[in-house]
Amino acid sequence: GQSLEQPSEVTAVEGAIVQINCTYQTSGFYGLSWYQQHDGGAPTFLSYNGLDGLEETGRFSSFLSRSDSYGYLLLQELQMKDSASYFCVQGYQKVTFGIGTKLQVIP
Amino acid sequence: DTEVTQTPKHLVMGMTNKKSLKCEQHMGHRAMYWYKQKAKKPPELMFVYSYEKLSINESVPSRFSPECPNSSLLNLHLHALQPEDSALYLCASSQGGLAGANVLTFGAGSRLTVL
Repeated sequence: GQSLEQPSEVTAVEGAIVQINCTYQTSGFYGLSWYQQHDGGAPTFLSYNGLDGLEETGRFSSFLSRSDSYGYLLLQELQMKDSASYFCVQGYQKVTFGIGTKLQVIP
Repeated sequence: DTEVTQTPKHLVMGMTNKKSLKCEQHMGHRAMYWYKQKAKKPPELMFVYSYEKLSINESVPSRFSPECPNSSLLNLHLHALQPEDSALYLCASSQGGLAGANVLTFGAGSRLTVL
């Protein structure tokens, strides 16, 4: 089956770096994606890892280790607007969301 | 066009009403999805259409009826809903292949209130 685990809440200071971890269990793996969702908004795609390694998109990076069934999202130079929920997501057609990590950025 | 458009943005309906949610994309995506999201919870998959055919139904009650008239449109027909069905209903689309399998573009959602 498909199961993703990630922390429920993280607090970090503006300007700092934060890492949100995700572990997954699945009999079939089609890569790991990350989404951001602000309160009242829709999920927005951030990053996708189909292969092991680091993907960098501006201040956001995502990492995948298939041998460890583990990935993370790294947010650098945190800004107040980064306060949101972040979801790791996996699956093909049956695309499943983790529980989400609520990130609070404080001054 | 890189958007998924959902209408209406807000809907209030009684338990005996029949209404529909609509979703449209013009990105040439071949897979379309309906998700339900309750407050402070992750989106929960309901239905997936692949190449206009229903490929996944996550044991959704029959009071929710999906329809995919063509590759650009996805509807969700609602009938005899319960108050606990009140939620944000999200439509999404993806290219449909294995590459980037879970790279989805979401619409802004339809917020449904059932009285």
